[in-house]
Amino acid sequence: GIQVEQSPPDLILQEGANSTLRCNFSDSVNNLQWFHQNPWGQLINLFYIPSGTKQNGRLSATTVATERYSLLYISSSQTTDSGVYFCAVQFSGGYNKLIFGAGTRLAVHP
Amino acid sequence: DGGITQSPKYLFRKEGQNVTLSCEQNLNHDAMYWYRQDPGQGLRLIYYSQIVNDFQKGDIAEGYSVSREKKESFPLTVTSAQKNPTAFYLCASSIRAGAEAFFGQGTRLTVV
Repeated sequence: GIQVEQSPPDLILQEGANSTLRCNFSDSVNNLQWFHQNPWGQLINLFYIPSGTKQNGRLSATTVATERYSLLYISSSQTTDSGVYFCAVQFSGGYNKLIFGAGTRLAVHP
Repeated sequence: DGGITQSPKYLFRKEGQNVTLSCEQNLNHDAMYWYRQDPGQGLRLIYYSQIVNDFQKGDIAEGYSVSREKKESFPLTVTSAQKNPTAFYLCASSIRAGAEAFFGQGTRLTVV
């Protein structure tokens, strides 16, 4: 069936470390987004990236649509990067709903 | 300010009462979405609307109802038929289905 899988489920880093979060999806997509959920529950848009590579400061993302995965890179992590990172996709083929993965919970310690 | 406004931020209701959560956007977006999030979990889609006067059920629509009479408004009613209504509810919108979606700040509903 249609699936969005994120890995790892949990990640603990020391401040300054780099990390890679992965999102696998089961079919071709019209939309792929990465979000950061802060401790107050707000979902912050990081990237809209159905294909290709984008960078925004210490964060970058790559989606390889033909191989059905996306990667989120966090470099020189800071304690404020802590929270949950979600991948969400909208599949092609007539599905008009944005489906979320289960998330990666990141804790960055000083 | 442009954006998506959900109100109230916190809501308490007694079991058996219907409650309506507000979602308003002034971004001129056609598509709007309602999600539910339980503690430590991801987001699950309740209902979505691609255009005014049209909406579709998501994955967990039972016990919920919506309306889309105006482009800027997509209220969600949690009915007494919803067995476990206590949750964090998030509303989102996008200029069209498939475009980048943006979220409101959410409403935490507690039913006692």
